[in-house]
Amino acid sequence: EPEVTQTPSHQVTQMGQEVILRCVPISNHLYFYWYRQILGQKVEFLVSFYNNEISEKSEIFDDQFSVERPDGSNFTLKIRSTKLEDSAMYFCASRRPGAYEQYFGPGTRLTVT
Amino acid sequence: GENVEQHPSTLSVQEGDSAVIKCTYSDSASNYFPWYKQELGKRPQLIIDIRSNVGEKKDQRIAVTLNKTAKHFSLHITETQPEDSAVYFCAASRGTGTASKLTFGTGTRLQVTL
Repeated sequence: EPEVTQTPSHQVTQMGQEVILRCVPISNHLYFYWYRQILGQKVEFLVSFYNNEISEKSEIFDDQFSVERPDGSNFTLKIRSTKLEDSAMYFCASRRPGAYEQYFGPGTRLTVT
Repeated sequence: GENVEQHPSTLSVQEGDSAVIKCTYSDSASNYFPWYKQELGKRPQLIIDIRSNVGEKKDQRIAVTLNKTAKHFSLHITETQPEDSAVYFCAASRGTGTASKLTFGTGTRLQVTL
């Protein structure tokens, strides 16, 4: 069964550095999402993306964040200048057109020191 | 925006007993309510969902009920087993269009004891 994949599984970075988190959605899915989960807390929506555009974004998704679909398979989240409070698990999810279900990737644990 | 509340935060049951987790939502435009199971360090895994045009859905030992009027929905697990131990999240969304973000509840840690 196809699954969403994410790389890397764990990223350690210093405060102020840029990071790029990568996701490969399920192949026939056209709606893409990033969520994050701070340790021990609930999953929070960051941004959704469809047809090469951001559809929705949350208050968390400020100017330091950007998303891109650089080719036909990858979907990336960039954090320009990381802060300590960006430390979290970042999940990518995808959904096919007309369906309700969102399927999550295994996550990237981002640690900002 | 949507606000989803979830209770209880922790739930301990004996193997074979039933477990019930309850959620409420605020946005009357929400029409899709999935439940995710998350084991430690793993991805949220969709286990069951319900749409606003039905009141109940069952899949083996798991069932979900929805009361649109009261904006309540619940997860019921019968004959619990140790492998049901995990954190369960409810969520709500407006469906299949571009406004389809999931708003999650705060999670319920279910522990099934022998």
